[in-house]
This record gives sequence, C-alpha cells and structure tokens, in this order.
Amino acid sequence: GQSLEQPSEVTAVEGAIVQINCTYQTSGFYGLSWYQQHDGGAPTFLSYNALDGLEETGRFSSFLSRSDSYGYLLLQELQMKDSASYFCAVSSPVGGYQKVTFGTGTKLQVIP
Amino acid sequence: EAGVTQSPTHLIKTRGQQATLRCSPISGHTSVYWYQQALGLGLQFLLWYDEGEERNRGNFPPRFSGRQFPNYSSELNVNALELEDSALYLCASSLSRVEQYFGPGTRLTVT
Repeated sequence: GQSLEQPSEVTAVEGAIVQINCTYQTSGFYGLSWYQQHDGGAPTFLSYNALDGLEETGRFSSFLSRSDSYGYLLLQELQMKDSASYFCAVSSPVGGYQKVTFGTGTKLQVIP
Repeated sequence: EAGVTQSPTHLIKTRGQQATLRCSPISGHTSVYWYQQALGLGLQFLLWYDEGEERNRGNFPPRFSGRQFPNYSSELNVNALELEDSALYLCASSLSRVEQYFGPGTRLTVT
C-alpha cells in the first residue's frame, strides 16, 4: 500500500519562506504531486516531480529525493492568500494503472 | 473549457437513507476519482473509474458504490447512510493521471 506523512499545521510570517515536508512509503513510484486547498474550496494542482531535484514555478518550488522517499514544497515571499491546506500526493502503479494517494494535508497559516 | 461539475451542491439525508451524488468530468477526461473529506481532515480515496470500469477502490464498506457512464460522467451511491458519512465528497477528473482537476464538491449532511 501507500502511506504519506506531512505536518498537520505550520505557521509562518508574511514575506517569509516556509517549507512543507512530505515523506512517503509506497511499493512502486511514479511521482509526487502537491495540491493547494483553501477553506471551502476544491484542491488545485500545484506541481509534480517525477525526477530528483527542484522544480520551480513562480514563488512555489517542489523538491523530490526518490532515494529518501522525501519531498517538500517551498513557498517564498509568503502572502496572506497562501493560507490554505497543502496536500502531497504520490502516484504509484496499481494493477497496471497509475493511482494517486493523498497525504492528510498541512494547514498553513500566514500571519502578518 | 468547462471544469468538473458536481451536483447537488448540498444534500441533507437522514440515517438509513440512500444518497446519490453526480459528477461530470472535463470534456475528454476518461478518469474520474471520488474522495471523501470529513471536516478538517484529508482526502480519503473512495473510488476510481476509467473508461467505464472501476479500477480501484479505497478502504470503504460496500455500501459506497458507483459507476461511470459511457459519456464518462459518474455517480456515487451511498446506501444505509450513517451519521459519520457526513462530509464533503469531491470528484476529480484526469487525463494524464498526473494532474487531477477537482470539482467544487457535494456537502452531504446525515441527520
């Protein structure tokens, strides 16, 4: 099966940098994704890492180390609107197909 | 391009009743996923349909079932509703199986 672990809550100051970690256990691995969900909203896709290293998309970056079964989401120049829950999700093979399993989410609170 | 749509937005049922939730994926997407999100909790995987077939199901009892129609829309049925079934039910569609596009969800309340 698949399991993911990420911190339940993180608090950071506006303008600062915050890193949200995710460790996973899975039999078979295709890649690690990150999603953002604002309160009352639907999750939206942020990034996907299939290979080791850092992927940058504007203020957000995502890192993957396959050997350590570990990844993180890095948010720079934090804004109040970044307050949301962030989910990591692992893609793995199931019955010849690719299945996505979500972590329990990290609630990020950005304070002034 | 229209996004994933779900209906109804809200659904109130009493314990023991049945609920039917509907999802229309983005045009061209053949995979539909269903998730349960209880208040303040993460996304619990329920069901995955692709090309009309059930590909995988999560750790939920058999009273949670569904189907996918030839036009790739999907229906989630929950029988013999229990109070703990109260949650936001999210549907997502995907083409690449890397990025999932989520609908706004159906808020199910069981009283």
